[in-house]
Amino acid sequence: SQQGEEDPQALSIQEGENATMNCSYKTSINNLQWYRQNSGRGLVHLILIRSNEREKHSGRLRVTLDTSKKSSSLLITASRAADTASYFCVDAQGGSEKLVFGKGMKLTVNP
Amino acid sequence: GAVVSQHPSWVICKSGTSVKIECRSLDFQATTMFWYRQFPKQSLMLMATSNEGSKATYEQGVEKDKFLINHASLTLSTLTVTSAHPEDSSFYICSAPRQGWDGYTFGSGTRLTVV
Repeated sequence: SQQGEEDPQALSIQEGENATMNCSYKTSINNLQWYRQNSGRGLVHLILIRSNEREKHSGRLRVTLDTSKKSSSLLITASRAADTASYFCVDAQGGSEKLVFGKGMKLTVNP
Repeated sequence: GAVVSQHPSWVICKSGTSVKIECRSLDFQATTMFWYRQFPKQSLMLMATSNEGSKATYEQGVEKDKFLINHASLTLSTLTVTSAHPEDSSFYICSAPRQGWDGYTFGSGTRLTVV
């Protein structure tokens, strides 16, 4: 796993708006994973997208992957205050490898 | 499914004492467990990787004798912070690969405060 770089590093929006977070990585991947961390808590796995997939949906989450640009984006639609958290992207080669985390992106959804 | 239970969720200890943190996989076998440390407003830093039945692999700069890791069974990995000092105060999180290769499951974290 290599360190993904999230962009922007901080985003503040109003409830109901959509939030888009971008991630860039450096090496070829088997899959890319997105995690959420609420303040003072562990990480929650949100979604995994494989290198042969271009888009994936899970509830209000939509993830895209562009392997030619080595980038991914996470879209949260109709945001809620409960979506306030830090979000991390991690690229993985596959197998029980260690994950390397970047700085993450702090999303604040104002009620 | 694929739950990792981490205990305690928080602990306060005196300098010089040792603290043990446990991570249990409740509904799957965790042959590998990763241990991370996270300082306030910073990202997760991998400390070590434990594998059931073998010695842990530590990341560069992490003291093996200070952070003892034991992975004695397929469902339990422990991290013991020995002779804790205030600079060891941090948030410690464990993680294990999920079955079927659907990402990793994380414990809820342990907030350690050394006074």
